[in-house]
Amino acid sequence: QVQLVESGGGLVKPGGSLRLSCAASGFTFSDYYMSWIRQAPGKGLEWVSYISSSGSTIYYADSVKGRFTISRDNAKNSLYLQMNSLRAEDTAVYYCARAKADHVDYWGQGTLVTVSS
Amino acid sequence: SYELTQPLSVSVALGQTARITCGGNNIGSKNVHWYQQKPGQAPVLVIYRDSNRPSGIPERFSGSNSGNTATLTISRAQAGDEADYYCQVWDSSTHCVFGTGTKVTVL
Repeated sequence: QVQLVESGGGLVKPGGSLRLSCAASGFTFSDYYMSWIRQAPGKGLEWVSYISSSGSTIYYADSVKGRFTISRDNAKNSLYLQMNSLRAEDTAVYYCARAKADHVDYWGQGTLVTVSS
Repeated sequence: SYELTQPLSVSVALGQTARITCGGNNIGSKNVHWYQQKPGQAPVLVIYRDSNRPSGIPERFSGSNSGNTATLTISRAQAGDEADYYCQVWDSSTHCVFGTGTKVTVL
């Protein structure tokens, strides 16, 4: 069955960096687009970034553009999110998600990122 | 940027029908997807491309989309349907857009 397991979350100071990872299993990872989606405490869902199956096409939300970098390693069945210049408003649960063109069909359980001094 | 508006909350009596709306400019021309999120859990896809149900989703969940409003309908509502529901579209300029979310309460 499809499994997406995020890791790398934690507490970081404003201006700091963090790298999230997502280990995928149960499907042919290299065939699928992937996304990161976040949810601030008590708030709604916010799309963060999207990467095509080969990694050749990448999109970012305006709120993270220039600070976050999405990447993937199809040989390792892994998705990554490098987060730099973190702000308090980046505090959220970050979900790794399998994308089917224009929607998500599977979500991981999420990893919490807290940005606080 | 493209925006999707949902009611903050919807209440439904046990066994009755709940309708959750998702408003957006000419949303009828886009594919709309719906997710259910229970407290402390990751979202789950319940409707994709307006009216299609993934495997494992009960027939009680249905969707429609026309004009400026898309609708998720939950028939014969059960206590287990209590959750937050989010609509979502893919827009060429804003890319992935989520609605504001609706909390469904089953009375």
